[in-house]
Amino acid sequence: RKEVEQDPGPFNVPEGATVAFNCTYSNSASQSFFWYRQDCRKEPKLLMSVYSSGNEDGRFTAQLNRASQYISLLIRDSKLSDSATYLCVGGNYGGSQGNLIFGKGTKLSVKP
Amino acid sequence: GAGVSQSPSNKVTEKGKDVELRCDPISGHTALYWYRQRLGQGLEFLIYFQGNSAPDKSGLPSDRFSAERTGESVSTLTIQRTQQEDSAVYLCASRRGTSVTYEQYFGPGTRLTVT
Repeated sequence: RKEVEQDPGPFNVPEGATVAFNCTYSNSASQSFFWYRQDCRKEPKLLMSVYSSGNEDGRFTAQLNRASQYISLLIRDSKLSDSATYLCVGGNYGGSQGNLIFGKGTKLSVKP
Repeated sequence: GAGVSQSPSNKVTEKGKDVELRCDPISGHTALYWYRQRLGQGLEFLIYFQGNSAPDKSGLPSDRFSAERTGESVSTLTIQRTQQEDSAVYLCASRRGTSVTYEQYFGPGTRLTVT
């Protein structure tokens, strides 16, 4: 089982919709999590950090469920500009790959 | 402040040639990472530097790949005898340190095309 797994999608939603992505992690020692967005042919950019139970920033809400070992990202009132690939990242003390494990990403396409 | 910078932004090379890619991390960031991303694929970890510690080279795909970093400054990724399968975007990222709460920031990448 991969350390960080995401549904690759694509998620195709209309403008204004609410969409949620889940990300599961296998290492129960994971301490922190991040969501990045990556636009086509661009570098990943940090969207949110998640250290405790969750985080909210405007239309974006991230929630962490340690018991079930998953992190979710909720996007409310989707905009066309939200179309991108969303990467989930797990941070582990003493872990491999410099303490950060990336998921493969979930593709979101918001249609008019 | 200045972000992570990479050069060149694009590189086209002939199969068999050597290439050198450069990364300038954010000032004061002790951790530096290299990733490879093939078209339509996820990030592939290559190598990680943390201060003066021995780098984690576990992701380098072959001995044609090597990377160096002097102290906490610039890093170079070298690919010798390039092959067509090396064509990808090479992304560099830096972090303030090793604490897992520190966020990682990416450079714009170098797009390598091997013909």
